Amino acid sequence: AQRVTQPEKLLSVFKGAPVELKCNYSYSGSPELFWYVQYSRQRLQLLLRHISRESIKGFTADLNKGETSFHLKKPFAQEEDSAMYYCALSRGDYGQNFVFGPGTRLSVLP
Amino acid sequence: GAGVSQTPSNKVTEKGKYVELRCDPISGHTALYWYRQSLGQGPEFLIYFQGTGAADDSGLPNDRFFAVRPEGSVSTLKIQRTERGDSAVYLCASSSPEGRTEAFFGQGTRLTVV
Repeated sequence: AQRVTQPEKLLSVFKGAPVELKCNYSYSGSPELFWYVQYSRQRLQLLLRHISRESIKGFTADLNKGETSFHLKKPFAQEEDSAMYYCALSRGDYGQNFVFGPGTRLSVLP
Repeated sequence: GAGVSQTPSNKVTEKGKYVELRCDPISGHTALYWYRQSLGQGPEFLIYFQGTGAADDSGLPNDRFFAVRPEGSVSTLKIQRTERGDSAVYLCASSSPEGRTEAFFGQGTRLTVV
């Protein structure tokens, strides 16, 4: 069965501090992993995906198949990073019906 | 339109009533998805359309839930005999057919069953 866990419901850090949002998954095949973000009063939007191996808004995430993790990291958090972050898994075949984690609310304090 | 549009944005209905939620995907997107998000949880997959047909409806919780996409564009999620437990935000997303591309989400319909 496919499953995504995000152990922290809420993560608070001070501006300029490093941040790491944890994500673990269970899936027997070759998954695609994504991070989606929802800013206040905005719709859910893609932040990054592991196959792109890119940095978006200073965030990076590395897929670790050995640890079945896809943690999201940023070296210096900004107040505008405050949002809900969802880790999501897609089976990797055609179509993207995701399995989402429960989400972590990131609060960046001034 | 510029993005995925969902109507209504809010719907309050009485227990036992029938409701329809509408999704207008991005023009040209053949893939369309419905998700349900309950308070404090991540979105939960309901159904996925490729064109007019439901390619995967394994997430529909029971036979009170049904979705259609008759012309391969607009989709309607239909809920019969609503229950208080159906209260949630219903999200729609669409993506283009070329490979594994980004799914774009609508703003959601907040359904409250009283």
